[in-house]
Amino acid sequence: EIVLTQSPGTLSLSPGERATLSCWASQSVSSSYLAWYQQKPGQAPRLVIHGASSRATGIPDRFSGRGSGTDFTLTISRLEPEDFAVYYCQQYATSPLTFGGGTKVEIK
Amino acid sequence: QVQLQESGPGLVKPSETLSLTCTVSGGSISTYYCNWFRQPPGKGLEWIGYIYNSGGTNYNPSLKSRVTISLDTPKDQFSLKLSSVTAADTAVYYCATGTGWLAQHWGQGTLVTVSS
Repeated sequence: EIVLTQSPGTLSLSPGERATLSCWASQSVSSSYLAWYQQKPGQAPRLVIHGASSRATGIPDRFSGRGSGTDFTLTISRLEPEDFAVYYCQQYATSPLTFGGGTKVEIK
Repeated sequence: QVQLQESGPGLVKPSETLSLTCTVSGGSISTYYCNWFRQPPGKGLEWIGYIYNSGGTNYNPSLKSRVTISLDTPKDQFSLKLSSVTAADTAVYYCATGTGWLAQHWGQGTLVTVSS
């Protein structure tokens, strides 16, 4: 099973600032089958990034993903009020599909 | 626009079987992988398993002995059964579909509480 570790656990930032979230895998994620999901309280996860760097439909270009192998990053270039949420990375390369523990991006 | 809706009892007694159905609209489930996920209150996400159009399934080994996912293609529905539930199975259960193993479209989720 691929274990995903996210850092930091909580990120306290102000609107307009840049957010950088990290996700490390215990073994290489083949074909960069790494996704990022955004989840707000009381809502379902929403796909943000897939294939490590491809934005999902309707996701603004302030969201970007990069990485390969075991190290992945989600960057939000300028935080908007609606971006404050919990973000989860997920690998969908190997069964069982697994998630990281999440990074909460909160308003400072 | 693909939309998913979970339905089923919100309260299940310990040792009984949890049963949920996901109804898909705006797309045919015959073209998708159909997943179930869950999230205990205040905790992270866990993949339960999926079924795809041939009826083939893949389950999380941690739940495999208790899980059955089935497909009703004419109704655009798929279902989850989780047997011998305990309080540890209390969670929001989500259905999700997508191409390949990527979960692109999610239902709103339904809270299932295991309690006597």
